[in-house]
Amino acid sequence: DAKTTQPPSMDCAEGRAANLPCNHSTISGNEYVYWYRQIHSQGPQYIIHGLKNNETNEMASLIITEDRKSSTLILPHATLRDTAVYYCIVRGPKSSGDKLTFGTGTRLAVRP
Amino acid sequence: NAGVTQTPKFQVLKTGQSMTLQCAQDMNHNSMYWYRQDPGMGLRLIYYSASEGTTDKGEVPNGYNVSRLNKREFSLRLESAAPSQTSVYFCASSDTFMDSTRNQPQHFGDGTRLSIL
Repeated sequence: DAKTTQPPSMDCAEGRAANLPCNHSTISGNEYVYWYRQIHSQGPQYIIHGLKNNETNEMASLIITEDRKSSTLILPHATLRDTAVYYCIVRGPKSSGDKLTFGTGTRLAVRP
Repeated sequence: NAGVTQTPKFQVLKTGQSMTLQCAQDMNHNSMYWYRQDPGMGLRLIYYSASEGTTDKGEVPNGYNVSRLNKREFSLRLESAAPSQTSVYFCASSDTFMDSTRNQPQHFGDGTRLSIL
């Protein structure tokens, strides 16, 4: 699986958009970009995933650049409950063990 | 809808003791996974089961065994616990494994916090 690079920490004000970047310059054509988050010590929570096109669901939007070498997760109106560690993961359809390779992620702090 | 349920939530063991961590999912998923997470680190895959009746090693399988009891349940066993196995253990499941045309997310339980003295 392609390696990802994320900033170790970010913050944003409550009510504002949180834009979390991820670089995955070695991504291959059949690999998806996944985003998960982990709130405190809970299990990771799936947020969104995409292949080429931008995606949106009730939680967030995922913007993938045309060359697919980077992406941005957007939380449109961050709340205090969005404070968590956010993981960007690149995963192929039959990658080794179909595992998710978690890096150290971005620790997002939402300020009141 | 419970999703992925792990038991127990907390456990303290002495070195050399054995125990089994239980995981059950109610989403009719084919694939199930066991991960461990050590402080300040990401999750690492221990074992996975692509479908009922199959299991395979992940990244860090040493010291563990697994059983895919049926489609719903996937257990992780520590035969002789060691302090290095102190960790938080997460179970996950996903809808498909072999179908490469669909890439489905994994859904996680809330973890078992295991301390080995």
